Amino acid sequence: GQNIDQPTEMTATEGAIVQINCTYQTSGFNGLFWYQQHAGEAPTFLSYNVLDGLEEKGRFSSFLSRSKGYSYLLLKELQMKDSASYLCAVRDEQAGTALIFGKGTTLSVSS
Amino acid sequence: DSGVTQTPKHLITATGQRVTLRCSPRSGDLSVYWYQQSLDQGLQFLIHYYNGEERAKGNILERFSAQQFPDLHSELNLSSLELGDSALYFCASSPLQTSYEQYFGPGTRLTVT
Repeated sequence: GQNIDQPTEMTATEGAIVQINCTYQTSGFNGLFWYQQHAGEAPTFLSYNVLDGLEEKGRFSSFLSRSKGYSYLLLKELQMKDSASYLCAVRDEQAGTALIFGKGTTLSVSS
Repeated sequence: DSGVTQTPKHLITATGQRVTLRCSPRSGDLSVYWYQQSLDQGLQFLIHYYNGEERAKGNILERFSAQQFPDLHSELNLSSLELGDSALYFCASSPLQTSYEQYFGPGTRLTVT
């Protein structure tokens, strides 16, 4: 089976940096994803890691360590619009190409 | 706008009823995935279709079924509805079976009373 853990809630202030951690256990790891979801809206793709290391895309970066079953999403220069839920998801060979999601981390950014 | 459309946007129905949710993938995308999002369970994978064929099943109840038609749109059928089926139902599409990025539709909010 699969198990994905991430903190339920985090708070931060505008302009700050926040790191959202995700740990996972899967039997056939085949990629890790981060999605952003504003309340009542569809998830939108942020990043994809399949090899160890850091992927940077503008203000967002994602890191993966396959040996540790660990990933983090780093958000820099936080803006109020970054207040949202951040979903960590893995692709596991048992589920084919479908995504197995964690329960998400709700980030609140205040001024 | 992801290019994925879902209808209806909202649906309110009673326990024991049957409903059909519809999804049109992005133009050219062959894969359609269905997910259920409830407050306590988070976003859960239900089923995946690729070019009309079922490819993988997740936590889909026997009361639920889906299909993908020759024009690639997909329908999710939910029957004998229970209060616990109230949730947001998303479909997502991707170009190929192995494509890593999935584009989510706006979802259908189902309320069972």
